Amino acid sequence: QSALTQPASVSGSPGQSITISCTGTSSDVGGYNYVSWYQQHPGKAPKLMIYDVSNRPSGVSNRFSGSKSGNTASLTISGLQAEDEADYYCSSYTSSSGWVFGGGTKLTVL
Amino acid sequence: QVQLVESGGGLVKPGGSLRLSCAASGFTFSDYYMSWIRQAPGKGLEWVSYISSSGSTIYYADSVKGRFTISRDNAKNSLYLQMNSLRAEDTAVYYCAREGGYNSHFDYWGQGTLVTVSS
Repeated sequence: QSALTQPASVSGSPGQSITISCTGTSSDVGGYNYVSWYQQHPGKAPKLMIYDVSNRPSGVSNRFSGSKSGNTASLTISGLQAEDEADYYCSSYTSSSGWVFGGGTKLTVL
Repeated sequence: QVQLVESGGGLVKPGGSLRLSCAASGFTFSDYYMSWIRQAPGKGLEWVSYISSSGSTIYYADSVKGRFTISRDNAKNSLYLQMNSLRAEDTAVYYCAREGGYNSHFDYWGQGTLVTVSS
């Protein structure tokens, strides 16, 4: 099972919006509405930010939103803040009875 | 509050074995599916293995199939990963994670335990 494809890095200024893409296949992203997104700060465990494509867990800012079209899912962060600087990973359930993650995207807040 | 605490990591020689444990608290462990997920130094996340709430259904990533065994003891609120025939490429921080929905997402993660495979 190949990793989902994410851009290696994205950047934005405080207050701006950014979008991170996550491209898979019909066997994972395109085949299930089980895409999730995780935020990871250096040396910390990942934190769930979005699940089932577009749902936010309790306590996650509404500045974070998710969507999906075909085999590509997206995470959008609006009103960028300094504390959003982190690595972001997408994940999807797969037809192989397991999960696959993206390679990760480093978000830099300029 | 939900807590997952991994232990058992360390330095092991290639071909060796190690058993990781994950102690769960703050929720009804026996109601939840669980997974192990790893992260090699400076690399991304890789799902390793899954076990259903009763232990009756188990999945493995191809990279560890035949070498790793996941198990759980619901009476002890604990998850385990027995790792045999370890290779250098198994070097990683290993996280246990709770599945928050059927085949869906991982809503709580432990802090991780580092496994280093080196001679």
